[in-house]
Amino acid sequence: KAGVTQTPRYLIKTRGQQVTLSCSPISGHRSVSWYQQTPGQGLQFLFEYFSETQRNKGNFPGRFSGRQFSNSRSEMNVSTLELGDSALYLCASSFQGEDYNEQFFGPGTRLTVL
Amino acid sequence: AQKITQTQPGMFVQEKEAVTLDCTYDTSDQSYGLFWYKQPSSGEMIFLIYQGSYDEQNATEGRYSLNFQKARKSANLVISASQLGDSAMYFCAMREGNTGTASKLTFGTGTRLQVTL
Repeated sequence: KAGVTQTPRYLIKTRGQQVTLSCSPISGHRSVSWYQQTPGQGLQFLFEYFSETQRNKGNFPGRFSGRQFSNSRSEMNVSTLELGDSALYLCASSFQGEDYNEQFFGPGTRLTVL
Repeated sequence: AQKITQTQPGMFVQEKEAVTLDCTYDTSDQSYGLFWYKQPSSGEMIFLIYQGSYDEQNATEGRYSLNFQKARKSANLVISASQLGDSAMYFCAMREGNTGTASKLTFGTGTRLQVTL
């Protein structure tokens, strides 16, 4: 089974631009969660999508948004980029079955905002 | 609010020795799950082991075992027979709520493990 894939792996943007990151979960997984990792704040939960609906949301401004498609692939968008948005963005997929408690992460997208 | 505490910013262990990475958690939920992940310098998060709050036995996965002490709210990771490839950042994380309804993980600050010859 293929793992979680994220594209692109690296991205360089300038302040004020917007960016879209993509995540393809493991086949059969319906839940996709997004996390931001920075040296200062550590790993922080952004949001979770399940069956095309946002089910959980972290404490991030409205510039951060996401969506999930019918094939469970998810995209995350950040508008009006700020220097502080430079981070490793990780997505995780899970099956969400009764006895299935593993969340598998993708390799991440490293975003640099100049 | 849930919280994960990892008090060891860095640890050294000799190859072939065992090492324990500490993790304590705080939650008011009765149902929760505890995870350990390994993050090498490449950045990917590798799932290691999971313990559910209602699991009576400690979880084990190969060289990894989780020392779950519910009353003390601790979930320490034990790595036996350390290998050079175990050098990485290790994160403890918690999911509150039932498996079928929640995926949000709260992470600790991590412990950087260095395995030496």
